[in-house]
Amino acid sequence: DADVTQTPRNRITKTGKRIMLECSQTKGHDRMYWYRQDPGLGLRLIYYSFDVKDINKGEISDGYSVSRQAQAKFSLSLESAIPNQTALYFCATFYVGYTFGSGTRLTVV
Amino acid sequence: GIQVEQSPPDLILQEGANSTLRCNFSDSVNNLQWFHQNPWGQLINLFYIPSGTKQNGRLSATTVATERYSLLYISSSQTTDSGVYFCAVNFGNEKLTFGTGTRLTIIP
Repeated sequence: DADVTQTPRNRITKTGKRIMLECSQTKGHDRMYWYRQDPGLGLRLIYYSFDVKDINKGEISDGYSVSRQAQAKFSLSLESAIPNQTALYFCATFYVGYTFGSGTRLTVV
Repeated sequence: GIQVEQSPPDLILQEGANSTLRCNFSDSVNNLQWFHQNPWGQLINLFYIPSGTKQNGRLSATTVATERYSLLYISSSQTTDSGVYFCAVNFGNEKLTFGTGTRLTIIP
């Protein structure tokens, strides 16, 4: 099993719909992150969590929310999806270096 | 915040060639990683290298922290090496900052 697992791998949703992206990790790390990548660009930080009770906004948090249900689980929600949220989304953990999940390719139509 | 610049932005090589990718960063860091993003979008961690030199098969990396740069060497390139190579850095609890990447294309 992968250290950091993201589901779904691909998703197409309609404008205005609520959608949740899930992330789970088996590494036992406290720090978890959600990033977004747009075509031709690097990754930008959406939200991060240093432990279950510590949630912080990143540089592009507007339109997103997160939930840290347990040390191993960190989910990202789009309450009302819009087309410019079409992107590749990555979850990551950190402990002496970052480990990324395989990504979720989200398309909002 | 920390600025990260990578060069070259694009590189096209024949299979079997060697290459050197560079990452310059603007401030002190205690985390530097090299990632390979394959054509399917997966981000693969190549090296955690805030300083020093490491090697893994045909790949090696060197970071000179005092001069704020890191180099990734790829020898005997294969078509599976194609993709985008990212350098990413951070200091302490600050966010990981990615460079804009080097797009490597290996021609058979």
